[in-house]
Amino acid sequence: TQLLEQSPQFLSIQEGENLTVYCNSSSVFSSLQWYRQEPGEGPVLLVTVVTGGEVKKLKRLTFQFGDARKDSSLHITAAQPGDTGLYLCAGVTGNQFYFGTGTSLTVIP
Amino acid sequence: NAGVMQNPRHLVRRRGQEARLRCSPMKGHSHVYWYRQLPEEGLKFMVYLQKENIIDESGMPKERFSAEFPKEGPSILRIQQVVRGDSAAYFCASSAFTGDYEQYFGPGTRLTVT
Repeated sequence: TQLLEQSPQFLSIQEGENLTVYCNSSSVFSSLQWYRQEPGEGPVLLVTVVTGGEVKKLKRLTFQFGDARKDSSLHITAAQPGDTGLYLCAGVTGNQFYFGTGTSLTVIP
Repeated sequence: NAGVMQNPRHLVRRRGQEARLRCSPMKGHSHVYWYRQLPEEGLKFMVYLQKENIIDESGMPKERFSAEFPKEGPSILRIQQVVRGDSAAYFCASSAFTGDYEQYFGPGTRLTVT
């Protein structure tokens, strides 16, 4: 079983603060994805990173894929209440997507 | 431009009954994935199908669970003789082609077994 661990599991911060979420595994993946899921809805894909060391930016979100393609991080700058949600990483190998357990983020106005 | 559709959104079944969950992929998508999500456990892969073919069912329990994606119509995840442990949110996702890493998820079906 390909296991992805996310940390922290829960995070509650004030609006305007910065935060980093981590996704770690002992397995190598061909690519890694980040999703955001809101209550009662399905996950929505935010980004796919493919190359070791790759960094992608999406407005205030910065995603990095580890050099060894085993881990990834998501950094949010100046968090806003609209960023509240469950953030999931997923490692891709072959036909399968292995999801982490998620980080539940709450941004307090 | 309709996204992935799942129905029903909520399903209540008594122990021993059958549950049928439906998933219509995005227009033009011929690949469907089914996942189960339990609180504290995250999304777990169950099965990957293309039209009329099961490609990978390694995440599917060996008994009581089956899935199909016929030439016409939605993909169906079928759970026979449901037990309380089957209570979960079931999501399907679709993609356009093999090796397409862009999955689009449906809103899920929340199954409650009483």
